[in-house]
Amino acid sequence: QKEVEQDPGPLSVPEGAIVSLNCTYSNSAFQYFMWYRQYSRKGPELLMYTYSSGNKEDGRFTAQVDKSSKYISLFIRDSQPSDSATYLCAMTSYGNKLVFGAGTILRVKS
Amino acid sequence: EAGVVQSPRYKIIEKKQPVAFWCNPISGHNTLYWYLQNLGQGPELLIRYENEEAVDDSQLPKDRFSAERLKGVDSTLKIQPAELGDSAVYLCASSLSSRGAGELFFGEGSRLTVL
Repeated sequence: QKEVEQDPGPLSVPEGAIVSLNCTYSNSAFQYFMWYRQYSRKGPELLMYTYSSGNKEDGRFTAQVDKSSKYISLFIRDSQPSDSATYLCAMTSYGNKLVFGAGTILRVKS
Repeated sequence: EAGVVQSPRYKIIEKKQPVAFWCNPISGHNTLYWYLQNLGQGPELLIRYENEEAVDDSQLPKDRFSAERLKGVDSTLKIQPAELGDSAVYLCASSLSSRGAGELFFGEGSRLTVL
């Protein structure tokens, strides 16, 4: 079993839809939770960063962490075709390596 | 500010041939990472440098892979000899520090195809 599980999709939604992306994990030591966005043939770029449990909002993006369930989510409101990309969850504990999920492919249709 | 620069972007070689990838991190970033990304998978850490020192190379296949970071700036990742299973994207990333969980800045990657 992988430390971080993420449904690879693809997830296809119409423009304007609310998108929900999720990851589960097994290592209870993880404290820092991130979402990276990766466009085709590009490197990942940090989208959201959360420490411990709770919610964080940035524009159309909301990240949620539920440590009791070992479950994290990324919500995208009013999705746009430019949001079409692969979304990678990533997590770590202090001083340790970042562990990535496999990534979910998102396609937003105009 | 320039981002992480990698070269070459694409490389096609025959199996058993050597190959090298180069990375120039963001200026001032002490920590440099090499990641391997297979198709449909997330990046997996190969090696992490703090300045010139390799502080985590536990996932680097040392029989055929080697890396160096001279003067604590640029880094080179080498594969010799390459095998078919090495076909993947090799990503370089840098960060100000590896303490805590600072943001990693990734390059665009070097895509290797081994025939």
